[in-house]
Amino acid sequence: SYELTQPPSVSVSPGQTASITCSGDKLGDKYACWYHQKPGQSPVLVIYQNTKRPSGIPERFSGSNSGNTATLTISGTQAMDEAVYYCQAWDSSTVVFGGGTKLTVL
Amino acid sequence: QVQLQESGPGLVKPSETLSLTCTVSGYSISSGYYWGWIRQPPGKGLEWIGSLYHSGTTYYNPSLKSRVSISVHTSKNQFSLKLSSVTAADTAVFFCARGQGWVTAPTFDYWGQGALVTVSS
Repeated sequence: SYELTQPPSVSVSPGQTASITCSGDKLGDKYACWYHQKPGQSPVLVIYQNTKRPSGIPERFSGSNSGNTATLTISGTQAMDEAVYYCQAWDSSTVVFGGGTKLTVL
Repeated sequence: QVQLQESGPGLVKPSETLSLTCTVSGYSISSGYYWGWIRQPPGKGLEWIGSLYHSGTTYYNPSLKSRVSISVHTSKNQFSLKLSSVTAADTAVFFCARGQGWVTAPTFDYWGQGALVTVSS
């Protein structure tokens, strides 16, 4: 079965750029999307179709996908961005989620 | 504004069938999109269970397919989940969500608040 691998944790200082990776076999040939989830809340879509932002998501969130890696980039990271981030893709008629990355804003 | 709300028993006995319903407001299920279930064991990540289209077309996670059934009730604007032969490993928060971009780029754009289901005798 298809697997998506994310680092368990990423730390960033306020105002700096955070990058969270998601790796999978030939992931660049598929569409990736990203969610963030804060404690006790439902996931929120922040990037879809590799690079698109839903309405209401700040411009500091951006995405890319090439080769075997999709990347979520948060520019000018704010304290409110602290959350767990999940990538997700579609393979063989199956939705696959990455294991999640805890973003800590120190 | 699209809203989804999960409902159902919060406690299920081992070997029994877990049943949940998702009520959708602000959008008619029969108008389109896919509708799905995702679960999250306490302290762990997200796992897709399955999704369906209002016509009845379904997609299931292969790891759960033998135990899962998702159906739609368009007259009530609801869809439901049944997971049979549950064990403690099925204890999780269950989310219902709307899926867009099926089949090329599935994404869940609206989510319910989640319902905790505990499997215990």
